[in-house]
Amino acid sequence: AQSVAQPEDQVNVAEGNPLTVKCTYSVSGNPYLFWYVQYPNRGLQFLLKYITGDNLVKGSYGFEAEFNKSQTSFHLKKPSALVSDSALYFCAVRDGLSGNTPLVFGKGTRLSVIA
Amino acid sequence: GAGVSQSPRYKVAKRGQDVALRCDPISGHVSLFWYQQALGQGPEFLTYFQNEAQLDKSGLPSDRFFAERPEGSVSTLKIQRTQQEDSAVYLCASSVRLAGEKETQYFGPGTRLLVL
Repeated sequence: AQSVAQPEDQVNVAEGNPLTVKCTYSVSGNPYLFWYVQYPNRGLQFLLKYITGDNLVKGSYGFEAEFNKSQTSFHLKKPSALVSDSALYFCAVRDGLSGNTPLVFGKGTRLSVIA
Repeated sequence: GAGVSQSPRYKVAKRGQDVALRCDPISGHVSLFWYQQALGQGPEFLTYFQNEAQLDKSGLPSDRFFAERPEGSVSTLKIQRTQQEDSAVYLCASSVRLAGEKETQYFGPGTRLLVL
């Protein structure tokens, strides 16, 4: 069975500072990893994914994430945070060996960027 | 192009009432997923369609929940005899299989259901 842990319910960062939102995962096969962002009263918006290849994945709005197989982590990062990045962030995983399986999500991390 | 759309966006139901939630996936997407997102939680899988075939319904919480996609496009999630614990946001996602592409699921805005 797959699982995702987002150990921080809330992350606060000052505007202009780098941000990190943590995610660790567990999957029996090959991990396909995703980050989504959710703004109030909106659906989930895709940010980036890791399937294979380079461990550093670049996505939308200047976000990137680093896949670390030994630590089973996929932390989301951005070099310089914006107030508009304030939202709820979800990490998700699926097993790449099992066809088009559903995503398993973490509980989410609320990012607050303070001006 | 147009994304995934869902209707209604908000639904208030009295306990015991039946509700139907609609999802219009991205045109041409063969896979369609329903998720339930309780307050303060991440989305949890309910059911999955590939075209009109319901391939996985293991996440449906009870036999009061029923989903269909008769023509392989629009899908409806029906909840019979709603209970207060059914209150949640119901999210629909679609994805397409392309050669060399590993499916990304694209989500609709969700339907927020409140059962009183």
